[in-house]
Amino acid sequence: ETGVTQSPTHLIKTRGQQVTLRCSSQSGHNTVSWYQQALGQGPQFIFQYYREEENGRGNFPPRFSGLQFPNYSSELNVNALELDDSALYLCASSLRVGGNNSPLHFGNGTRLTVT
Amino acid sequence: AQSVSQHNHHVILSEAASLELGCNYSYGGTVNLFWYVQYPGQHLQLLLKYFSGDPLVKGIKGFEAEFIKSKFSFNLRKPSVQWSDTAEYFCAVNAVGAGSYQLTFGKGTKLSVIP
Repeated sequence: ETGVTQSPTHLIKTRGQQVTLRCSSQSGHNTVSWYQQALGQGPQFIFQYYREEENGRGNFPPRFSGLQFPNYSSELNVNALELDDSALYLCASSLRVGGNNSPLHFGNGTRLTVT
Repeated sequence: AQSVSQHNHHVILSEAASLELGCNYSYGGTVNLFWYVQYPGQHLQLLLKYFSGDPLVKGIKGFEAEFIKSKFSFNLRKPSVQWSDTAEYFCAVNAVGAGSYQLTFGKGTKLSVIP
């Protein structure tokens, strides 16, 4: 089975710019979640997508937005970048059937540095 | 909102020593519990999970964890660690029925095993 893949692996942006991160789900999975992991912290939930719609959101401002495509791949967009947005961004996929979800499978992440 | 507390930031053990990593969560309802491991340079991997049933769950590589509902704890154990267990360990909780499937992670415990 193909695992979760993310691109790019590293990215450097300037404050105020916009960034798009990409994620391909593990084959057979239909749900994608995004997490932010700051240095020395555990991952924090940003949002989840199921059937191409946002299905839950953590405590992140609207400048964090996302998309899920029919093939279950996903994008995370961040506008008006701030220095505190520097972090590892993790994508995770899972299979949702009815009300049940399989455990999350994570990608290697995208390391975003905002200068 | 739920939260997860991991008691130790950094644990250093010699090979063959026994391991116990503490994890406590705060949430009054039903939870799913997880331990994830992140080996150096690799993605987060599921070590074990508890959904229901036997509170003692066994995972990969000889790890096990015990869910004690009265103590809101889910401690990770291994009788004899190996150098290859050097990694960062994250405890996570999902509040069942609280909306989307989202994990709340602890800050992680870094384990260093000395040969």
